[in-house]
Parts: sequence; structure tokens; C-alpha cells
Amino acid sequence: SAVISQKPSRDICQRGTSLTIQCQVDSQVTMMFWYRQQPGQSLTLIATANQGSEATYESGFVIDKFPISRPNLTFSTLTVSNMSPEDSSIYLCSAGETVSYNEQFFGPGTRLTVL
Amino acid sequence: GDSVTQMEGPVTLSEEAFLTINCTYTATGYPSLFWYVQYPGEGLQLLLKATKADDKGSNKGFEATYRKETTSFHLEKGSVQVSDSAVYFCALRGQAGTALIFGKGTTLSVSS
Repeated sequence: SAVISQKPSRDICQRGTSLTIQCQVDSQVTMMFWYRQQPGQSLTLIATANQGSEATYESGFVIDKFPISRPNLTFSTLTVSNMSPEDSSIYLCSAGETVSYNEQFFGPGTRLTVL
Repeated sequence: GDSVTQMEGPVTLSEEAFLTINCTYTATGYPSLFWYVQYPGEGLQLLLKATKADDKGSNKGFEATYRKETTSFHLEKGSVQVSDSAVYFCALRGQAGTALIFGKGTTLSVSS
């Protein structure tokens, strides 16, 4: 199984600024994903982080707002750019060990509050 | 596209009551189905899974059977405990290499 850590665990940011969230997996994984969980809501997939190439974004999410990096098989970052209060959410990193994974592991999340 | 529909919560039960949380899905092909649980203040954990029709996933007294004819994956437990209080998410994975798609989640509250 994969253990996922995220930094920071929480942050309070000012409107118009950007925050980069780091995700570290304790083993090499094929698949990495970023989700958003708004207060009291379910998880919404932001994008699939592809190693060595541009991330694949879901409808409603764009690279300019949520740039993602994945330089290797154990690490990824998500940046929330030009933040507004509507971006206040928990951001979760997730991983599957192979393309055919049967379990998708989740990090503890980053709780972001935008003032 | 693929989607998951869960019963609305919250569900409030007394200890030792029977639990059912309904989950239905829409997907092309043969998705894998999952239940995840999120305890207060904790991250998401896999509770159980089923990868093909008629499979039954089970863990910690919870069960769910993959019913392709009704496109359902209802979660059941015969006797709930206070420690089962959490948010339960039904999810599917449509194809290899794609991310999980989640339902809205159902909050379960069990009182003694």
C-alpha cells in the first residue's frame, strides 16, 4: 500500500495570492490525482497528474488556475492561483500503484481558507 | 459520463440497528465499485470493493454486492456501533487508468 503525505496540512491565505501544495508518496506509483472537497461536499476530481507531461484536467478546471507538476513517480504539486474565497476547500492528493490498481490511496488533505 | 448517486443523509440510528445506504451508478462497460469511509477528522479509507458483477465486498461487518442488473452497490451492516459514525462515500472506477468518481457522501450518526 502507498502512504501519502501532504504539505501544508492547512493554510489561511489572502485573496489574489497563490498556494502550492506538495504531495509525497512513499513508493513509486503510476497514477496520481488531485481532488477538491468543498465543505460538507463530496470529492471532485481536478486533474490527473501525468509524470513527465501536462496534467489532464476535468471539465471546469483549467491549467492557469490549477497548475500541476509531476516531476517523478513519487511527487506532485498543485498550485491554487489567484485565490478567491470560493477556493476555500480541502485539497486531496491521491494515488494508484498501477494502471489497474484496485485501491486508490488518499493523503490527509490540505485545508485551505481564503480570506 | 460516469456518475454515482447515493441516498441523502444524514442517517441517524441507534446502536445495534440495521444499516442500509443505497448507491446506484451509471457507467459504460464494467466499472469497479468501492465504498470509502471518512471518520471525523481523518482521511479517506477504503472500506470495501467489488470488481465484477455479483462480487460481494465485505469488511468490518459491512457488506455490499455488485448488482449489474440494478446498477447498484448498496452498503449494509447488520448491527451498527457508535464507532461507525462517519461519512460514507460510494465510488466507481470506469476504466483502468482513470480516477475514482464519488457520490455525494452519506453521513451516519449512531447513538448509544
